[in-house]
Amino acid sequence: GNSVTQMEGPVTLSEEAFLTINCTYTATGYPSLFWYVQYPGEGLQLLLKATKADDKGSNKGFEATYRKETTSFHLEKGSVQVSDSAVYFCALSDGGGFKTIFGAGTRLFVKA
Amino acid sequence: DVKVTQSSRYLVKRTGEKVFLECVQDMDHENMFWYRQDPGLGLRLIYFSYDVKMKEKGDIPEGYSVSREKKERFSLILESASTNQTSMYLCASSFQEGTADTQYFGPGTRLTVL
Repeated sequence: GNSVTQMEGPVTLSEEAFLTINCTYTATGYPSLFWYVQYPGEGLQLLLKATKADDKGSNKGFEATYRKETTSFHLEKGSVQVSDSAVYFCALSDGGGFKTIFGAGTRLFVKA
Repeated sequence: DVKVTQSSRYLVKRTGEKVFLECVQDMDHENMFWYRQDPGLGLRLIYFSYDVKMKEKGDIPEGYSVSREKKERFSLILESASTNQTSMYLCASSFQEGTADTQYFGPGTRLTVL
């Protein structure tokens, strides 16, 4: 079945450091891929998405590229801020129904 | 602005009690979802609904039921709460079926069953 695997956290970085959170997936067909973010005390919100191979999603300085050959959708940001501290979820939707499959989440701490 | 609200942020119940979690969305979305979120497990789908009075089981429906009498409201019911149902419960909605469909989440209800 479909699945999403993302790197375990927590990830701790200093402000202005480079961020990578790895995400790989298993799916039949051509899923859409998402990154959601959950700030403390809040629900999840969409950060970015990509709907086909080689698409790049971007938002708030974050970006991720849909790599079909490596079945990956790694999240990157060039310079993190303290306000980026949150839990990040990689997810896929395979279009076969209404379900979105979420990864386990990666907690990011950014120190000033 | 998109809005999904949940009836309680924190809830404490006793084992065996019947528990109702309410979710309301103001976006006229067809689809609504209930997830539970546990550390290390991510989000797991309990039930979803793609239309009024329609419901489908998700991955972990045991011990739960749902009700959708109006398009904007989707309720999760724990018929007889147990300690292993202590968790964060998240409601979400989306506009239509499709691979690129974004889900919009409420703030969550942290339920503790004693």
